[in-house]
Amino acid sequence: GNSVTQMEGPVTLSEEAFLTINCTYTATGYPSLFWYVQYPGEGLQLLLKATKADDKGSNKGFEATYRKETTSFHLEKGSVQVSDSAVYFCALRDQGAQKLVFGQGTRLTINP
Amino acid sequence: DGGITQSPKYLFRKEGQNVTLSCEQNLNHDAMYWYRQDPGQGLRLIYYSQIVNDFQKGDIAEGYSVSREKKESFPLTVTSAQKNPTAFYLCASSPTGTRDTGELFFGEGSRLTVL
Repeated sequence: GNSVTQMEGPVTLSEEAFLTINCTYTATGYPSLFWYVQYPGEGLQLLLKATKADDKGSNKGFEATYRKETTSFHLEKGSVQVSDSAVYFCALRDQGAQKLVFGQGTRLTINP
Repeated sequence: DGGITQSPKYLFRKEGQNVTLSCEQNLNHDAMYWYRQDPGQGLRLIYYSQIVNDFQKGDIAEGYSVSREKKESFPLTVTSAQKNPTAFYLCASSPTGTRDTGELFFGEGSRLTVL
């Protein structure tokens, strides 16, 4: 079945550091890929998405590229801020399917 | 403003009691979902509904029940048969058909604690 594996957390960085959160997936078809962010005490918000191979999703300085050859969708940001502290979820949705499959989440803490 | 409203935000329950979590949306979305979130396990799908009066089991439906009598509402009942109900519950919705962008829209969640 479909699955998503994220790098284990928690991840702690200093402000202005470079961020990478790894995400790999297993899917039978050609899924769309997503990164969601959850700030403390809140629900999830879509951060970015990519719907086909080699697409790059970007938002708020975050980027992720859909790599079919390595089945990966790693999240990157060049210079993180304290306000980026949150839990980040990678997710996929297979073609023709209605539901999303989520990874286990990665907790990110940015220290000033 | 359009959005998804979950209530209550916090709920305490004694063992053996059923409890119902409310989820209402005014986004005119056809599909609605319930996810359970546990530390280190991400989100797991409990039930989802693509249209009024129809719903499907997700990956962890045992011990839960839902109804979809109205497009706007998708309540989740956590029954006494659920072995470990303490968790954070998230409701979501999405459009279907030509309006579907793949994105799910989430409520702020309900935290259930069984005493």
